[in-house]
Amino acid sequence: AQKITQTQPGMFVQEKEAVTLDCTYDTSDPSYGLFWYKQPSSGEMIFLIYQGSYDQQNATEGRYSLNFQKARKSANLVISASQLGDSAMYFCAMREDNQGGKLIFGQGTELSVKP
Amino acid sequence: DGGITQSPKYLFRKEGQNVTLSCEQNLNHDAMYWYRQDPGQGLRLIYYSQIVNDFQKGDIAEGYSVSREKKESFPLTVTSAQKNPTAFYLCASSTDRQLMGYTFGSGTRLTVV
Repeated sequence: AQKITQTQPGMFVQEKEAVTLDCTYDTSDPSYGLFWYKQPSSGEMIFLIYQGSYDQQNATEGRYSLNFQKARKSANLVISASQLGDSAMYFCAMREDNQGGKLIFGQGTELSVKP
Repeated sequence: DGGITQSPKYLFRKEGQNVTLSCEQNLNHDAMYWYRQDPGQGLRLIYYSQIVNDFQKGDIAEGYSVSREKKESFPLTVTSAQKNPTAFYLCASSTDRQLMGYTFGSGTRLTVV
């Protein structure tokens, strides 16, 4: 079974609008971390935001926020005020703390920001 | 500046050859990882190492080998047993501080010719 599911292969958003990228996960480990990474066409992986399973509040980093709904096992990324430079692949990933620290990635969502 | 260096950036391999991808980090991270990425796909874990002289198979280890003789270095060898090696390979490292996540290298693009 897929541990991390990103159901949107591609998304379009108008510049300056907000966009939500979906991510659901599956784990029985009570202690885990959820990450979002951005991958531009150059291939580098850029860390955006982190949410721990015991964190009470949703994580925020500048224009990025993570909508963490633990009971629904979802960790959606919200990008506010989209910019042209936000066009890239976005990956959701999970680390299960009892599984050796390895990150498991979703299939990714390709975001295109239109001017 | 601290970081992860992968080399080469592009690599071409003839069928039947072994090739080794380099990954070096100066972040003093204990754990290192190798991922494979195919076009339009997510990252899949090949091997990982949490301490020197120890490593574990990931989800797609067949046809690959690694070594971890030094904390700073985690080279990946793509052997001739790997039937479809053309892909983008990413190396990463991490600490046990959960908030830090992973630091990634810039990747090696391997093509079989």
